[in-house]
Amino acid sequence: KAGVTQTPRYLIKTRGQQVTLSCSPISGHRSVSWYQQTPGQGLQFLFEYFSETQRNKGNFPGRFSGRQFSNSRSEMNVSTLELGDSALYLCASSLQGEETQYFGPGTRLLVL
Amino acid sequence: GDSVTQMEGPVTLSEEAFLTINCTYTATGYPSLFWYVQYPGEGLQLLLKATKADDKGSNKGFEATYRKETTSFHLEKGSVQVSDSAVYFCALRSWDSSYKLIFGSGTRLLVRP
Repeated sequence: KAGVTQTPRYLIKTRGQQVTLSCSPISGHRSVSWYQQTPGQGLQFLFEYFSETQRNKGNFPGRFSGRQFSNSRSEMNVSTLELGDSALYLCASSLQGEETQYFGPGTRLLVL
Repeated sequence: GDSVTQMEGPVTLSEEAFLTINCTYTATGYPSLFWYVQYPGEGLQLLLKATKADDKGSNKGFEATYRKETTSFHLEKGSVQVSDSAVYFCALRSWDSSYKLIFGSGTRLLVRP
C-alpha cells in the first residue's frame, strides 16, 4: 500500500506570495493532519481534517488554511508569506483520527 | 496542557553501545505514547507505540515501556548501529489534547563506527 505522498517536495517563494501544498493520504485513511516543523519551534500542529470537515485547529494565524476533498486528499494554503513561514510542512494520515498517524516526506518551503 | 519532555541532544555513541533516550510526559488523561524517527531529509516514521500503562512497544531492536507511575516512555536499544543515526521524537496523543500529536523537542543520535 502506498504511503502518504506530498507535493511539491521543495518550494521557494518570496514574501507576500501565497502557496498551496498538497497531501494524498494512505488509501482508506480519512483523517489528515498537518504539522509545521522548524528548528526553533519544533513540531507544531496546524489542523486536522476528517471527512472534509476541519475537526481541530492549532494556534496559527488565519493566513494558514486548509481543506479536504471527498477523496480525502488535502491541501493547505498559506497566504501573504512571511520569512518565518520557512519550514518543513508535514502531512499525516490515519484511519479514524484517533489512531496512529503516518507521515509523508514533507514539503520544504523556503520564503525569501 | 499536555506536554512531552525529552533529553537534550546530541547523543553520541559508538557502534554496538547501549542507547537510552529519556522521555517524560504531562497529561491529564490517559494518552497513547509514540516514538517517531526522522532521518536526514525525510519525514517522520513511526518507530513504536504503546497505548496503555505497562505496555511495551518494540520495533527493529528498539523498546519503550509505558510507565504511568513515573510518566515516562524511555527509548532503549541494546546495540546501536551507524544506520540508527537520526532524530528521535517522543509524542503523545490523548482525548484531552483533541487527539493531535504533541511532540517533544527531538533528540539527535549520532552513532560512530
